[in-house]
Amino acid sequence: GQQVMQIPQYQHVQEGEDFTTYCNSSTTLSNIQWYKQRPGGHPVFLIQLVKSGEVKKQKRLTFQFGEAKKNSSLHITATQTTDVGTYFCAAGGSNYKLTFGKGTLLTVNP
Amino acid sequence: GAVVSQHPSWVICKSGTSVKIECRSLDFQATTMFWYRQFPKQSLMLMATSNEGSKATYEQGVEKDKFLINHASLTLSTLTVTSAHPEDSSFYICSATLAGGEQYFGPGTRLTVT
Repeated sequence: GQQVMQIPQYQHVQEGEDFTTYCNSSTTLSNIQWYKQRPGGHPVFLIQLVKSGEVKKQKRLTFQFGEAKKNSSLHITATQTTDVGTYFCAAGGSNYKLTFGKGTLLTVNP
Repeated sequence: GAVVSQHPSWVICKSGTSVKIECRSLDFQATTMFWYRQFPKQSLMLMATSNEGSKATYEQGVEKDKFLINHASLTLSTLTVTSAHPEDSSFYICSATLAGGEQYFGPGTRLTVT
């Protein structure tokens, strides 16, 4: 099955710094989704990217899908303590199945 | 919208007993639900796809006789962990999907087998 590699595994930043997590696949993806899981919580859907080269923004979050549809990134500008959590990318497959990356745990020092 | 509930939120059971976990879509109908397992500080591992009115599809390595899934209605899927062992202790999360493909997750069930 398809696999997605996500880096870094951990990222600690000072509040106000930027943060980026990357997701890579060896195969072309039909779509990629991003989820956020707060400590002790459950994954919450953030966004889905479908088109080659697509860029979507949600306030301070910018999501990109590579031209070859093999990589994606999530960038947070000026992190806040509320951004703390694990960010997962997930590759969409047949029958709506998702293959999750290992996630990036973001901690923010106030 | 797109709210998914799970019950119970946590359960402790003795080794050898069975535990049933319910997953409900509260404000939409879900023909497809998914069951995941998550170990501490790890990613989500898909266990099976639950299809309303038909048999569940299990991922490779998941014992179908141990993890029984029933999707009896468009809003309810259940996962029964049979003859539970301590190694089954984990965080079990269900999700339901809408037509766009995004998944909405339940709050999860923490199972501890003693």
